[in-house]
Amino acid sequence: GAVVSQHPSWVICKSGTSVKIECRSLDFQATTMFWYRQFPKQSLMLMATSNEGSKATYEQGVEKDKFLINHASLTLSTLTVTSAHPEDSSFYICSARRGTNYGYTFGSGTRLTVV
Amino acid sequence: DAKTTQPTSMDCAEGRAANLPCNHSTISGNEYVYWYRQIHSQGPQYIIHGLKNNETNEMASLIITEDRKSSTLILPHATLRDTAVYYCIVRVSMNSGYSTLTFGKGTMLLVSP
Repeated sequence: GAVVSQHPSWVICKSGTSVKIECRSLDFQATTMFWYRQFPKQSLMLMATSNEGSKATYEQGVEKDKFLINHASLTLSTLTVTSAHPEDSSFYICSARRGTNYGYTFGSGTRLTVV
Repeated sequence: DAKTTQPTSMDCAEGRAANLPCNHSTISGNEYVYWYRQIHSQGPQYIIHGLKNNETNEMASLIITEDRKSSTLILPHATLRDTAVYYCIVRVSMNSGYSTLTFGKGTMLLVSP
């Protein structure tokens, strides 16, 4: 149990376009999901906390107008990278947990390349 | 959450035990030790966690020193598929609140034939 599905697994887009990444909890409901970003040879850095039915909470230094997060249901959170630039190229990973008595489950990640 | 220190990299021969150390000298009494691993280009995977007693599951064993200032993750019979970055994370129980995990740099374990 506790499976988190992330889609797409990789995407290449042109500079200036927007890209949407989906994160779904397949067998449980998640009121809170988390979005991370990982640059090559670096560790995961938390970008934002996605809250169902309310605004996301962004970490310091993460532009909320550039990284739009929508958590419209208890099983789906989306991250949209708007007006993407090559420096946004990274590995984006989401995570969620079923409830306070469970650990965190991570998605398989999305490799974004902006050309 | 308490800070952890891990070696940057380790090597292990296939079939041998891999012992990954972690120092967490500032750990508090209510903080657990969690281990996750990340295989290249995948999301992190939970391995094991513990408070003060040694723990074992189908993936690994966790040995925590009596003073709780350090711990060792043991993969008893490492395989090539165990090659990954291993993260040791110290934080209060998962039962408390919705704050997420903070990842350090971890240990890159390379298992070779």
